[in-house]
Order: sequence, then C-alpha cells, then structure tokens
Amino acid sequence: AQSVTQLDSQVPVFEEAPVELRCNYSSSVSVYLFWYVQYPNQGLQLLLKYLSGSTLVKGINGFEAEFNKSQTSFHLRKPSVHISDTAEYFCAVSPNTGGFKTIFGAGTRLFVKA
Amino acid sequence: KAGVTQTPRYLIKTRGQQVTLSCSPISGHRSVSWYQQTPGQGLQFLFEYFSETQRNKGNFPGRFSGRQFSNSRSEMNVSTLELGDSALYLCASFQGQGAGELFFGEGSRLTVL
Repeated sequence: AQSVTQLDSQVPVFEEAPVELRCNYSSSVSVYLFWYVQYPNQGLQLLLKYLSGSTLVKGINGFEAEFNKSQTSFHLRKPSVHISDTAEYFCAVSPNTGGFKTIFGAGTRLFVKA
Repeated sequence: KAGVTQTPRYLIKTRGQQVTLSCSPISGHRSVSWYQQTPGQGLQFLFEYFSETQRNKGNFPGRFSGRQFSNSRSEMNVSTLELGDSALYLCASFQGQGAGELFFGEGSRLTVL
C-alpha cells in the first residue's frame, strides 16, 4: 500500500520569494510521483511528474521537484512565486506495477501575498 | 479535444436520499477514477474502472458504488446519504495503461442536509 504525507497544510509567502512544498511518501513497491494544482472551483491539473531517470523534474509555470529515493521525498519548489500561484497543491503516488490507483496527499494551500 | 465532463456540478440532497453522479471521460480514455474531496482530507480514492470492470476500490462503505458503460462513461451512486457525504466528488480519466497523468473534471459538489 502507498501513503503520502504533505508536511505543511498552509504556506504563506510573499510575492517573488522562493517556496518549497514538502511531500514524503511510503510504499512497498516502486512508484511514480506527481504534483497537481487545484485553482478555486476547478478540478486538478498536472504540474509535473517523475517516472524514471533524472531526479530533478521540471514542470509548468516554473515549478520543479526533486525525487529523493533514500528520504522518500518529492518536494516541490519555485524560485520566485506570483500572486497567480495561489492555489492548493497535491502530491500523489501510483505504483509502477500497474496498480492504477493514484493516492493523494491532504494538500498544501499556497497563499502568495503582495 | 473535449475535457472530462461531470454532471451535475452542484446538488443538494437530504439525509437518507440517494444520488447518482455522471462522468464523461476524454475521448479515447478507457479508465475512470472517482475521488471524494473534503477540507483537510485531500482526495480519498473511491474506485477505478477500466473497460467496464472495477480494477481498484478504496475503503468506502458499500453505500458507494459505481459502474462504467461501454462508451467509457461512468456513474457513481451513493445510497442512504449521510451528512458526512457532503463533499466535492471528482472524476478523473486516464488512457488506461502504463504511467501517465490523470485528467480531472471540475467535480460535482454534493451538499447533504
């Protein structure tokens, strides 16, 4: 079974400051890792994903994440945030054995202040 | 290409009633997953269907059920509604095999009074 822990429920940050949203996971099998974003009154959309290869993954809107297998982490970063980045961010895992069951964390609400 | 369509977007029910939610996946996608989203709980996995077969199921009571039709459209049903069933129900479609992203609809927001 897999589980995902997002270590911060809310992250307030000033515009143009860097931000890191933390995600740890546990799994008895190898997994694929994802970050999704949800804007108010919308469904989720994919920011980036790690399937294999380079542990540093770049996504849309200037976000990137680094897979750390030894620490079972997949933290999301952005060097300079904008007001429009205010949203809820979800870390997710799915087994790479074809389980077709994606498990999500509880979410981190990023609030960017002017 | 049309996205994932969920209907209805909003609905209000009373305790004890039942509800049916509908999801039309992206054309060509054969997998549909359902999630329940509540504040502070994130997305809880309900079930996943592929080619009309349930491949995975989450830890929800039997009051929650679903099905998928031959055109990949899916429905989920909740019977004997409880106040705690109030949530945003999200449907996500996936091509069906291998690794890949889920494409989400905007959800059906259910309020149980």
